[in-house]
Amino acid sequence: GQQVMQIPQYQHVQEGEDFTTYCNSSTTLSNIQWYKQRPGGHPVFLIQLVKSGEVKKQKRLTFQFGEAKKNSSLHITATQTTDVGTYFCAGLSGRPGGYNKLIFGAGTRLAVHP
Amino acid sequence: DGGITQSPKYLFRKEGQNVTLSCEQNLNHDAMYWYRQDPGQGLRLIYYSQIVNDFQKGDIAEGYSVSREKKESFPLTVTSAQKNPTAFYLCASSTPEGLAGGANIQYFGAGTRLSVL
Repeated sequence: GQQVMQIPQYQHVQEGEDFTTYCNSSTTLSNIQWYKQRPGGHPVFLIQLVKSGEVKKQKRLTFQFGEAKKNSSLHITATQTTDVGTYFCAGLSGRPGGYNKLIFGAGTRLAVHP
Repeated sequence: DGGITQSPKYLFRKEGQNVTLSCEQNLNHDAMYWYRQDPGQGLRLIYYSQIVNDFQKGDIAEGYSVSREKKESFPLTVTSAQKNPTAFYLCASSTPEGLAGGANIQYFGAGTRLSVL
């Protein structure tokens, strides 16, 4: 079945360093979403990418959707301690006439050392 | 204040007992979901419902049951058949498919942590 792989599983950075997490799907996606889960909390929606090659920015966060719509990345510039948490990608593959449920990656846990 | 409410926040289950986790939403979403999250792991789909009185099994439905009698409510029962129920359970609802600029975006409740006594 469809799989969404996310790497790395863990990332430890010093505050001020950059961070990137990558997401790869076994099938072409109609869109991809990113969520953040703070320690002890629940996932919160960050952004959705729909178009091939799309790039979106939210302050220090940059999200990309690959040209083939099978991969995506999240890049954080100059990490801060408030960036700590687990970042999940979730892919939606369109199946005409069928229900299209999100497939979540396993997440990348980010630790930021002050 | 719109959102998803899960209760209880913490739940303890005795061996052989069925327990029910509550999930209520006032976002007027048709679709609702239950996920299981184990420590350090991602989200695994247990059940989902696209509309009232209809629900489908997800990837790990064995040992769980659900009902969808009202649009606002999607309770999950963890039955005694679920031999390893200790986990963090998350309920979500989503925006409609085909919604311009925001299809299938999932809104999560705060979760229920279930442990076995």
